[in-house]
Amino acid sequence: DIQMTQSPSSLSASVGDRVTITCRTSQSISNYLNWYQQKLGKAPKLLIYAASSLQNGVPSRFSGSGSGAEFTLTISSLQPEDCATYYCQQSYSSPFNFGQGTKLEIK
Amino acid sequence: QVQLQESGPGLVKPSETLSLTCTVSGGSMSRYYWSWIRQPPGKELEWIAYIYYSGSTNYNPSLRSRVIISVDTSKNQFSLKMTSVTAADTAVYYCARGEAVAGAPFDYWGQGTLVTVSS
Repeated sequence: DIQMTQSPSSLSASVGDRVTITCRTSQSISNYLNWYQQKLGKAPKLLIYAASSLQNGVPSRFSGSGSGAEFTLTISSLQPEDCATYYCQQSYSSPFNFGQGTKLEIK
Repeated sequence: QVQLQESGPGLVKPSETLSLTCTVSGGSMSRYYWSWIRQPPGKELEWIAYIYYSGSTNYNPSLRSRVIISVDTSKNQFSLKMTSVTAADTAVYYCARGEAVAGAPFDYWGQGTLVTVSS
């Protein structure tokens, strides 16, 4: 199985801040890395697929980068509605594991 | 707009079988993989299994011995059965869609249904 390690596990930032979340995998997965946003009590929502492709309808302040075994999700200018937990997920090989999540709070 | 909706009992007794159905509307089941994913309260997401519209399957090895996934394309539904449940199987269960290409993400999700395992 491919192990996923997200950091940090939680962070607090102010509106307008640039926020970066990192995801590391236990082996190279090319660019088969996806990012999801989950708001409290809701289903996850796809933000970024194939490491850097923005899903339709997702604001352009979200971006993804990386390849191999290290990836980042960046929010360029944090907005109040970005308060959520963010998960990375590898779609390289079964089982399609998720990271443990990063809880993002607004100061 | 594709929509997925989970249905099934919200309470299951220990050692019994959990059964859930996901109904797909607004689109065809063809050319997609259909997955079950769960999330215990306060914990991370865990992929359980997927089924292709043709019936081929793939299971998480950690759950393979207790899980069966099936599809009924005539009803636009797919289902999950999990046997011998324990309290550790208490979770919100989601159904989700993935395009049948290498590396596809889960692009559409159901709203989730909470299943509690308790006597």
